[in-house]
Amino acid sequence: DGGITQSPKYLFRKEGQNVTLSCEQNLNHDAMYWYRQDPGQGLRLIYYSQIVNDFQKGDIAEGYSVSREKKESFPLTVTSAQKNPTAFYLCASAGGVTDTQYFGPGTRLTVL
Amino acid sequence: AQKVTQAQTEISVVEKEDVTLDCVYETRDTTYYLFWYKQPPSGELVFLIRRNSFDEQNEISGRYSWNFQKSTSSFNFTITASQVVDSAVYFCALRVTFYNQGGKLIFGQGTELSVKP
Repeated sequence: DGGITQSPKYLFRKEGQNVTLSCEQNLNHDAMYWYRQDPGQGLRLIYYSQIVNDFQKGDIAEGYSVSREKKESFPLTVTSAQKNPTAFYLCASAGGVTDTQYFGPGTRLTVL
Repeated sequence: AQKVTQAQTEISVVEKEDVTLDCVYETRDTTYYLFWYKQPPSGELVFLIRRNSFDEQNEISGRYSWNFQKSTSSFNFTITASQVVDSAVYFCALRVTFYNQGGKLIFGQGTELSVKP
């Protein structure tokens, strides 16, 4: 089945630790995105990548880092510099930047 | 500035009622796209519809219909004969068209729809 997978579904982190969220797609999409969702709010863009080995900051990139070494994969690292990392993280992909974005199931990160 | 407003935070209806979710957007672009996504309790966003700024035709898909009016900058979503399975958070989103924006979606705050049996 074609789709977007994110792992893990739930993640718990101690303060001061870096954690990496996985996002994989087998839709052959060029563009991939990371969004953050806080309770009762819409989604905000963290980072996006239009092509392999290239990525751009979104609106709230501070405290996050990404890589795009393969077309299928766009992992997000939440660093200890992110002051309030507890949130729901959604990954999306699209054929191109003008195409519809399709979303993965999300990862819920909680900082203990 | 680009902005999407969903003024209805929560709506509660009884099964079989019709319900309309409002979406008002702001943009200076002449070319833009509008979207609706559904977020069930599982959390995944499910794509429902995409509409470009040059196509003001209303669209119907089963029990779902969308009314796009550029004159009022609105893109409202109606569910006819609602069902319990329609219970979810619904997001309206706007996509800017500048290439250097990378296709960023601007989301409204979402409307939580609760359909009671």
